[in-house]
Amino acid sequence: AQTVTQSQPEMSVQEAETVTLSCTYDTSESDYYLFWYKQPPSRQMILVIRQEAYKQQNATENRFSVNFQKAAKSFSLKISDSQLGDAAMYFCAYWGSRDDKIIFGKGTRLHILP
Amino acid sequence: KAGVTQTPRYLIKTRGQQVTLSCSPISGHRSVSWYQQTPGQGLQFLFEYFSETQRNKGNFPGRFSGRQFSNSRSEMNVSTLELGDSALYLCASSETNGGYNNEQFFGPGTRLTVL
Repeated sequence: AQTVTQSQPEMSVQEAETVTLSCTYDTSESDYYLFWYKQPPSRQMILVIRQEAYKQQNATENRFSVNFQKAAKSFSLKISDSQLGDAAMYFCAYWGSRDDKIIFGKGTRLHILP
Repeated sequence: KAGVTQTPRYLIKTRGQQVTLSCSPISGHRSVSWYQQTPGQGLQFLFEYFSETQRNKGNFPGRFSGRQFSNSRSEMNVSTLELGDSALYLCASSETNGGYNNEQFFGPGTRLTVL
């Protein structure tokens, strides 16, 4: 079965600095999608960034970018110029056609220090 | 467009009771997925409905059930509540089938506490 592992339960970063959240996954599929979701303290989950496995180019969305290493099954999220509003729980997630459902990691709580 | 709404936002029940949670997707979205979020297990997929049909189901006991109406609104029901059912229940809607290349939009969740 596919699994998603986030090894950092909590992280802290100084405002305006850069932080990288780690995610690894296990799958035997060759084509799949990976996601990073953000869940702020208000609890509404939002999609931060999405990566299609067949695309070699790393996805970027403004200050958010990913480092997708398909062979290593690694999918880390880099947040540049961290802002107070970035404080949230971040979930790494996987979708593959075999299970046809999104599988989430346990999450990383990110604290932004002013 | 209005976002995904869930009612009620908070619920307190006792063991053995049953509960029904409601989710209204974004207008035009036909897929609704439900998730259970707990500190220990994280986010776990319950089921997905698309055009009134259950497309997929997670590994939960039969006490957890759901349905979707013709207007895409969805309900989930938990019968014979157990203490371990205390959780935040999230629903998410997407235009077509959930996950595949379609962004899921999440609601604020229903916080269920079982005493």
